[in-house]
Amino acid sequence: DAGITQSPRYKITETGRQVTLMCHQTWSHSYMFWYRQDLGHGLRLIYYSAAADITDKGEVPDGYVVSRSKTENFPLTLESATRSQTSVYFCASRDPGIGKTEAFFGQGTRLTVV
Amino acid sequence: GQQVMQIPQYQHVQEGEDFTTYCNSSTTLSNIQWYKQRPGGHPVFLIQLVKSGEVKKQKRLTFQFGEAKKNSSLHITATQTTDVGTYFCAGREGYQKVTFGTGTKLQVIP
Repeated sequence: DAGITQSPRYKITETGRQVTLMCHQTWSHSYMFWYRQDLGHGLRLIYYSAAADITDKGEVPDGYVVSRSKTENFPLTLESATRSQTSVYFCASRDPGIGKTEAFFGQGTRLTVV
Repeated sequence: GQQVMQIPQYQHVQEGEDFTTYCNSSTTLSNIQWYKQRPGGHPVFLIQLVKSGEVKKQKRLTFQFGEAKKNSSLHITATQTTDVGTYFCAGREGYQKVTFGTGTKLQVIP
């Protein structure tokens, strides 16, 4: 069940470097989301997208950039990584149909900024 | 903006004991969802509640949505080691925006 996949699963990068986290889904869900998970904060929304070429900021967008040129892909870029961006990042997708509210999550990317 | 808080943050129970986590939103919600995340895993959808005062059951799990649609609870009867994980509520305020709670990490002692 390919569903939604994230890559890489683990990444170590240096402060100041640009890094891109990839997210790919095979369901053609129009909604896609990026969350970061930190102890004591739960899951915080970084960016979301309602469709290709439509993106919007979430709760904690600073330092991140997203794009959505194709429905199935939603990459997240850290333009200049900082130690505070060390976290576990989850991508999720959802079908916008009425009653279809369940979000499906990828396996996560554990990012360490040193 | 909308805030969704969960208590407790951590809970240790003996296997067989009951467990409850509470979720409170600063704003009225259109619906609330619950997710479970096993250690090292990703959140997995459990259920959605939509109506004021709604109660739903899944085997040993009972979910409630408050009358004012600002709070919710998840109760697990007779916990098992398979219940270990972090439970998140997620409140939906508008059509798109879903805000996750801070989560309750459940540890079950055999």
